[in-house]
Amino acid sequence: DAGVTQSPTHLIKTRGQHVTLRCSPISGHKSVSWYQQVLGQGPQFIFQYYEKEERGRGNFPDRFSARQFPNYSSELNVNALLLGDSALYLCASSRMTGGHGYTFGSGTRLTVV
Amino acid sequence: SQQGEEDPQALSIQEGENATMNCSYKTSINNLQWYRQNSGRGLVHLILIRSNEREKHSGRLRVTLDTSKKSSSLLITASRAADTASYFCATDASGANSKLTFGKGITLSVRP
Repeated sequence: DAGVTQSPTHLIKTRGQHVTLRCSPISGHKSVSWYQQVLGQGPQFIFQYYEKEERGRGNFPDRFSARQFPNYSSELNVNALLLGDSALYLCASSRMTGGHGYTFGSGTRLTVV
Repeated sequence: SQQGEEDPQALSIQEGENATMNCSYKTSINNLQWYRQNSGRGLVHLILIRSNEREKHSGRLRVTLDTSKKSSSLLITASRAADTASYFCATDASGANSKLTFGKGITLSVRP
């Protein structure tokens, strides 16, 4: 079985631009979560989706949005990029919304210049 | 905000030695998980311990949980150079929104 796949692996954007990151969960996993990891810090929770519904939102501005598709893949969108948005964005999938370990993708490294 | 606080921040040991990493947290939890991260890439789930468990083993890993002290420890026995990585504890407070709250991580270096 393929693991959690994320695309692209690396991305360079200019301040003010918009970016879309994509994630495909493990087959059979209905929950997808997004995390932001700034260099030297632990991952910070952004969103969780389960069965195409938003189940949780972290302390991030409205510039961050996400959605989950019928095939359970997910997109994370960030508008009006700031230098501070530069980070590793991680997607995690699981069968349920909690109480289990998560499988993470390798992440998308976003650099905003 | 970070809930977990790992200790120490960095640890350097010789191959074959044991590595002990500690984690403290602030709020009630449903479970606590440990993850490994190599070179700033994806996290790998190592072990999960539920709030009603006190100790759990998986291969060379042993994790303990003390809910009264809000702390956990991860022991890696007979360490190998391949164990060199960053290790994170993450708490799951559960409920309808089940997010993981991570600490800042511990950098483990295992010298051959």
